[in-house]
Amino acid sequence: SYELTQPPSVSVSPGQTASITCYGDNLGNKDACWYQQKPGQSPVLVIYEDAKRPSGVPERFSGSNSGNTATLTISGTQAMDEADYYCQAWDSSTAVFGGGTKLTVL
Amino acid sequence: QLHLQESGPGLVKPSETLSLTCTVSGGSVSSTDYYWGWIRQPPGKGLEWIGSIYYSGSTNSNPSLKSRVTMSVDTSKNQFSLNLNSVTAADTAVYYCAKLGYGGNLNCLDPWGQGTLVTVSS
Repeated sequence: SYELTQPPSVSVSPGQTASITCYGDNLGNKDACWYQQKPGQSPVLVIYEDAKRPSGVPERFSGSNSGNTATLTISGTQAMDEADYYCQAWDSSTAVFGGGTKLTVL
Repeated sequence: QLHLQESGPGLVKPSETLSLTCTVSGGSVSSTDYYWGWIRQPPGKGLEWIGSIYYSGSTNSNPSLKSRVTMSVDTSKNQFSLNLNSVTAADTAVYYCAKLGYGGNLNCLDPWGQGTLVTVSS
């Protein structure tokens, strides 16, 4: 079965750039979605179609997808961005989620 | 604004059937533009896709759960439902419903319901 691999944790200083990767075989040929989940809350879509931001998502969130890796980048990271982030893609009519990355803003 | 709300028992006995309903407001479950999905998250763990359903009743399920999953749509109540049979403790999780489709693309889930915790225990 298809797998998406994310680093368990990423740390960033306030105001710096955070990058969260998602690895999957030929992932660049699929559309990647990214979700943000804060403690006790439901996931929220922050990136769709690899790099597009839904309405209301701050411009500091951006995405890219090429080769085997999709990347979520948060520029000028703020304390409010501390959360778990999940990537998601489809393979053989099955939605697959990455294991999630805990972003800590130190 | 579209809103989804899960409902159902919070406690289910092992070997029995877990039944949840998602009520859609601010939009129609009969829309031809979207699918409707179920996702779960065991306590302290990551997200797992359960399956999705179209207003016509067409479904698609996670192969790992397919033999135990049944989904349906009730357009008269603007709801869709999930049944998961033969549950075990491993099925204990927060269960979310969500709309599948955003920006003309059917790949991503948005918005999500608030989630409901279902515990499997005798």
